[in-house]
Amino acid sequence: DVKVTQSSRYLVKRTGEKVFLECVQDMDHENMFWYRQDPGLGLRLIYFSYDVKMKEKGDIPEGYSVSREKKERFSLILESASTNQTSMYLCASSLRTGGATQYFGPGTRLLVL
Amino acid sequence: KQEVTQIPAALSVPEGENLVLNCSFTDSAIYNLQWFRQDPGKGLTSLLLIQSSQREQTSGRLNASLDKSSGRSTLYIAASQPGDSATYLCAVAGTYKYIFGTGTRLKVLA
Repeated sequence: DVKVTQSSRYLVKRTGEKVFLECVQDMDHENMFWYRQDPGLGLRLIYFSYDVKMKEKGDIPEGYSVSREKKERFSLILESASTNQTSMYLCASSLRTGGATQYFGPGTRLLVL
Repeated sequence: KQEVTQIPAALSVPEGENLVLNCSFTDSAIYNLQWFRQDPGKGLTSLLLIQSSQREQTSGRLNASLDKSSGRSTLYIAASQPGDSATYLCAVAGTYKYIFGTGTRLKVLA
């Protein structure tokens, strides 16, 4: 079974802090994704990566950056956290491009005070 | 720009009913369509994936259909159970990205 893990289930941070969210997948998937999920807005894609050291902006990249130094690990970075970044963050991975099945991690609920 | 809509937003049914969840999308140029289940506060679990060349997929009590030409998919749940209570999301796949609907929140009453 594919396993996607996220470093924290819950996080509380202060405005202006730098925040790191880590995601690890164990199935040698090429593609990894970061989404945020907000009530009424659904899942929105922040960034994705189709290979090591490659990254592409999604629909809402502002205020975020990512890092993919190893194939199995994809990090989301909030350079200076703001209250409007309070959300549920979901990581996903898929084997290849062209719409392969996405597998999701359990999510990180981030509260920025 | 692809848009995905799910109707209804919420649904409450008595146990044992058969039910249909709807998903519509505006651009028929998709690789596949995937249905997910999400329990409160949790991640998404993949239920069914229908490739663009397929018309339907089945898994246990679940059956998903796809009509690309009309931009519609349905998820049929047979003999619903309280354990089916969750939010169901559909997502359509482009080359790299999935576009998600906002989900249907299902409650099955015992």
